[in-house]
Amino acid sequence: DTEVTQTPKHLVMGMTNKKSLKCEQHMGHRAMYWYKQKAKKPPELMFVYSYEKLSINESVPSRFSPECPNSSLLNLHLHALQPEDSALYLCASSPRALGETQYFGPGTRLLVL
Amino acid sequence: KQEVTQIPAALSVPEGENLVLNCSFTDSAIYNLQWFRQDPGKGLTSLLLIQSSQREQTSGRLNASLDKSSGRSTLYIAASQPGDSATYLCAVTTSGSRLTFGEGTQLTVNP
Repeated sequence: DTEVTQTPKHLVMGMTNKKSLKCEQHMGHRAMYWYKQKAKKPPELMFVYSYEKLSINESVPSRFSPECPNSSLLNLHLHALQPEDSALYLCASSPRALGETQYFGPGTRLLVL
Repeated sequence: KQEVTQIPAALSVPEGENLVLNCSFTDSAIYNLQWFRQDPGKGLTSLLLIQSSQREQTSGRLNASLDKSSGRSTLYIAASQPGDSATYLCAVTTSGSRLTFGEGTQLTVNP
């Protein structure tokens, strides 16, 4: 299995909703990442988990809450989002955290109304 | 702060042409450089990874070079095909496993 899966593919939520994005990989990778990508812009790093511990938080607002329950799974919990948070959310993984190819999932397209 | 620039922003070529995409970065203290492909509304597909100690990597019709000291990389695509149409992103890995992306080159290969 050489892929990163993300669910759901699409998500529409109101500003008062709570939802979660899920990312899974079964390649034995020990580093996992969340990126946010706005239309026609490159991805921007949000969080990095290394060996299930949060190692990088790029000053992301607290309405985004990451969680890494085990080495294969990464969640992003969403609460009280703003319309400007609408974007493609990409998950990636790599064997270890530094200097290795990152494998990306297909993304979750999020629309906040 | 690392900055990555890609030129051109958009490129349209007829099928069969060889083409070069350019990437430059401001801080040469990188661990590696990756080229990605992204189709509209999709995730990223890694095409080539060049470690900082390497000069080039090849995969099929793709060849990527790296000149770390001058902060430049090129992606060469031979005999382009309509299926190569996509956005190509260059990204460098710096300290703390951060990937810094360029803005991308949107490639259109016309039949």
